[in-house]
Amino acid sequence: EVQLVQSGAEVEKPGESLKISCRASGYSFTSHWIGWVRQMPGKGLEWMGIIYPGDSDTRYSPSFQGQVTISADKSISTAYLQWSSLKASDTAMYYCARQNSGYSAFDYWGQGTLVTVSS
Amino acid sequence: DIQMTQSPSSLSASVGDRVTITCRASQSTRSYLNWYQQKPGKGPKLLIYLASSLQSGVPSRFSGSGFGTDFALTISSLQPEDFATYYCQQTYSTPYTFGQGTNLEIK
Repeated sequence: EVQLVQSGAEVEKPGESLKISCRASGYSFTSHWIGWVRQMPGKGLEWMGIIYPGDSDTRYSPSFQGQVTISADKSISTAYLQWSSLKASDTAMYYCARQNSGYSAFDYWGQGTLVTVSS
Repeated sequence: DIQMTQSPSSLSASVGDRVTITCRASQSTRSYLNWYQQKPGKGPKLLIYLASSLQSGVPSRFSGSGFGTDFALTISSLQPEDFATYYCQQTYSTPYTFGQGTNLEIK
């Protein structure tokens, strides 16, 4: 059974760094792109970027390029999303999702990680 | 970036109704168009991929159509569990942008 299990909710202060995780199981981690999607409170879905754990090839949305870093550790089948300096506007739910190899849709999703940035 | 525009942004309907949500792309995405359902407090769920292919386990009352720039998601007979927000997404070129969402409410 394919599962994506994300790390727990975080409360951080502006300017702090943060790394959240997404642990995959039930499929070949290195054979599928895995991506991150932001959902700000009461808003829609925003595609942030994807990584191919097999070779760490990464694609970012221009809206998020330079604002976050997506990485993966294939030895533990885990993808990461990190910030070096959080802003209040980073407050959101963040989902990881597996991209299907054949048609690029996100066919399995994590449960979401709520990140709250507040002084 | 390819911009995705959904219509309407919100929709009120009754159980048993047939409803259609449309999605327009700012340039051709061929058939690389997906539809997701999201219920309050939950993550999205893939319903339709490649414009018209039904994801495994999704009820057959959901169907998708379209090619190029104009797409539609149709629910043939609304069930109580279908009241949710629906998003289209193009996966033709990165960034794989989503539409703004359509909130389907009970009338």
